Amino acid sequence: SQQGEEDPQALSIQEGENATMNCSYKTSINNLQWYRQNSGRGLVHLILIRSNEREKHSGRLRVTLDTSKKSSSLLITASRAADTASYFCATDSGYNKLIFGAGTRLAVHP
Amino acid sequence: DGGITQSPKYLFRKEGQNVTLSCEQNLNHDAMYWYRQDPGQGLRLIYYSQIVNDFQKGDIAEGYSVSREKKESFPLTVTSAQKNPTAFYLCASSMGMGSGELFFGEGSRLTVL
Repeated sequence: SQQGEEDPQALSIQEGENATMNCSYKTSINNLQWYRQNSGRGLVHLILIRSNEREKHSGRLRVTLDTSKKSSSLLITASRAADTASYFCATDSGYNKLIFGAGTRLAVHP
Repeated sequence: DGGITQSPKYLFRKEGQNVTLSCEQNLNHDAMYWYRQDPGQGLRLIYYSQIVNDFQKGDIAEGYSVSREKKESFPLTVTSAQKNPTAFYLCASSMGMGSGELFFGEGSRLTVL
């Protein structure tokens, strides 16, 4: 079963623009995590936000969490061609059994 | 360097054959996981293990088996009972259940001919 649903499914932007991806989920969570996957590779952890946090930053990444709306967003500022990848949200409702969404495919064009 | 090693990267199998995918970690993590990824979909949990000699079924365990005889190793066997085994398989580990971040291997792509 998929808990997190990303939106949009695909996003195409130019270098230097900001990219925003959204994630909605259904049940209460302990934390929500964002991962990145380059084509044909494993996933890399980007950021974790706990249920009692509303916003978190890491370099060019900004994540927000709205538990009342059961939604999160990932903002990548000043995007680069190297940011081209799929981005997944994953929700942890306990015991670290993460449930992943289907992902957003981001293409950043030079 | 610490990390997770999956092998083989690519594997081809004839129908009716069992295959075993290897996953080794040197991160000293207690918990290990196997996920399956199909095109355009998220990851689905096959099996997970919180500690040596213990493992639990995930959401799609049918047709798969695992063992956890050593802390470092968590091999996955795709049996002939798995009706649609062609997929990308990802192994991951974490310090413990509920500890947050998962560390992933580079994946194994299985194709059934």
